[in-house]
Amino acid sequence: GAVVSQHPSWVICKSGTSVKIECRSLDFQATTMFWYRQFPKQSLMLMATSNEGSKATYEQGVEKDKFLINHASLTLSTLTVTSAHPEDSSFYICSARVTGGFTEAFFGQGTRLTVV
Amino acid sequence: QKEVEQNSGPLSVPEGAIASLNCTYSDRGSQSFFWYRQYSGKSPELIMFIYSNGDKEDGRFTAQLNKASQYVSLLIRDSQPSDSATYLCAVNPGGIQGAQKLVFGQGTRLTINP
Repeated sequence: GAVVSQHPSWVICKSGTSVKIECRSLDFQATTMFWYRQFPKQSLMLMATSNEGSKATYEQGVEKDKFLINHASLTLSTLTVTSAHPEDSSFYICSARVTGGFTEAFFGQGTRLTVV
Repeated sequence: QKEVEQNSGPLSVPEGAIASLNCTYSDRGSQSFFWYRQYSGKSPELIMFIYSNGDKEDGRFTAQLNKASQYVSLLIRDSQPSDSATYLCAVNPGGIQGAQKLVFGQGTRLTINP
């Protein structure tokens, strides 16, 4: 299957600071990438759909000014958690879909964010 | 009503037996269905996807889809301890084939007992 690389795997930051998470498709082009958040013992919740060259589409209840998404190329999408607070601590996972035709989405390895 | 529902478990199955995981969904227009396996602290990995009514087999795994009943299941034959994980059912509710926007169930925690 296609490879999606997410970086960093884990990060600890102080409350009030911003954290950037990268999602890269290594061996394919991804017009669309998805950002999910997973709290302990809960399922994945879609936060936003990232589209190359255009604004991201955010799910209801997700603050677009807090979770900044940039999809500047066909292989890279970034999620920046701005002014992070302890309640933002979670497992953030991206997935990417191969451009054109049908295929399933492939997941990155996830980023464990802890805000202290 | 949640869009995708799974029994959270835990489901315990003896090694070598068949594990049966179930999922129901609310959007009758859904076209594509996915089963992911997630180990603790890791991201999900795709096991199988299915679009058509009936069964789809891949090795020890069989996915079953019944669109009339809005029901999809995953059978794991000859269960192994390494199959112990949380299994996530995901549905593309948009009516468009392919993994567009996925809605996940809460997952079923499966434990295979040696």
